[in-house]
Amino acid sequence: IAGITQAPTSQILAAGRRMTLRCTQDMRHNAMYWYRQDLGLGLRLIHYSNTAGTTGKGEVPDGYSVSRANTDDFPLTLASAVPSQTSVYFCASSDSGTGLGAYNEQFFGPGTRLTVL
Amino acid sequence: KNQVEQSPQSLIILEGKNCTLQCNYTVSPFSNLRWYKQDTGRGPVSLTIMTFSENTKSNGRYTATLDADTKQSSLHITASQLSDSASYICVVSFIKAAGNKLTFGGGTRVLVKP
Repeated sequence: IAGITQAPTSQILAAGRRMTLRCTQDMRHNAMYWYRQDLGLGLRLIHYSNTAGTTGKGEVPDGYSVSRANTDDFPLTLASAVPSQTSVYFCASSDSGTGLGAYNEQFFGPGTRLTVL
Repeated sequence: KNQVEQSPQSLIILEGKNCTLQCNYTVSPFSNLRWYKQDTGRGPVSLTIMTFSENTKSNGRYTATLDADTKQSSLHITASQLSDSASYICVVSFIKAAGNKLTFGGGTRVLVKP
């Protein structure tokens, strides 16, 4: 069982280029999330999806877009990358989403290290 | 603003020794508190999850405590091993009208030396 996979592992990208980070889970979790992790800061939520076909904005959504066409995949797209988007990106999933009283453990992927020059 | 503050930022301990990490939060209304372990270059892995009614939970050599009145939590590592070298992240879930939201602390980086 792979759990959550992310691709690529790392990427160096020129500013202004478009980039899609891929995330796939095989646990049939309803909810999926994208976070960025920067040195000295806690993980910050970019976008989330409580179920296939729905998405929502997190804490730092600007410059990013997501789609959730099916249960397993949740790609994150940077339409026009900027240096401030240099970060480590983590995808996560959980049984169900952000419902009231949700107690759901989130499982994280291995991360994608992105450098925008 | 809801915040989660962890201390110390980093610590070095000798193999076999115990250590305690602290987490203070201002999150309200509170749903649950989680501790994650993140190895270098890997994603976080859950250690414990506690609701407001639970004041202690163990996972092997890791024991988390929670005082919901003072909004403090601690993670105690007993008889540390080299494999305990990692960042430990405190995460607090609070209740919003649209559903739960997680607020992550900045983490405590632990280095266990032989």
